[in-house]
Amino acid sequence: DSGVTQTPKHLITATGQRVTLRCSPRSGDLSVYWYQQSLDQGLQFLIQYYNGEERAKGNILERFSAQQFPDLHSELNLSSLELGDSALYFCASSGTASGANVLTFGAGSRLTVL
Amino acid sequence: GQQLNQSPQSMFIQEGEDVSMNCTSSSIFNTWLWYKQDPGEGPVLLIALYKAGELTSNGRLTAQFGITRKDSFLNISASIPSDVGIYFCAGTDSGAGSYQLTFGKGTKLSVIP
Repeated sequence: DSGVTQTPKHLITATGQRVTLRCSPRSGDLSVYWYQQSLDQGLQFLIQYYNGEERAKGNILERFSAQQFPDLHSELNLSSLELGDSALYFCASSGTASGANVLTFGAGSRLTVL
Repeated sequence: GQQLNQSPQSMFIQEGEDVSMNCTSSSIFNTWLWYKQDPGEGPVLLIALYKAGELTSNGRLTAQFGITRKDSFLNISASIPSDVGIYFCAGTDSGAGSYQLTFGKGTKLSVIP
């Protein structure tokens, strides 16, 4: 157990729908990162939050949004879902604001869009 | 943005053999990390490298931060079945003003008992 908790583990939904993925960082970590892993692709950085504020943005689509709450858990919202959004979504956390730090990953949420 | 080329893409080896994989970047990196992802799990950090030329071991794993700062390799000695998984390199290119980790596409390792 890495200490980073992601829910749900699996999610199946239809095109056009909206889903929310949830992440609780490791105790004491202030930064939360979201990554997308598609088939045969590496990990694509989506967005980072540090202590409730957006810190860095990667290749995140406009249909996707995220936030980090005062208790430091984070949610990734995916809307108007398309078939190509099917992927593993990972949350990771670290203790500082710098994205250069070692990240601890959760087990991921597997999203299937039908 | 920075690109990471990781090779080989996949490899099949016999149990007991040594394994070597590497990663090259198009720009100078300040940090190199190696992660392993087991099926159905998130990546787990194996080794972190912070200085050019640094050679670090973690059990049967050894990784080096290349002198040019544009490459890194990971060696696994005397492979065992539980070494199966996908190995990712990752690094940061602080010269570009971005401190986010860039990941390679992974090396899928299969170990034949």
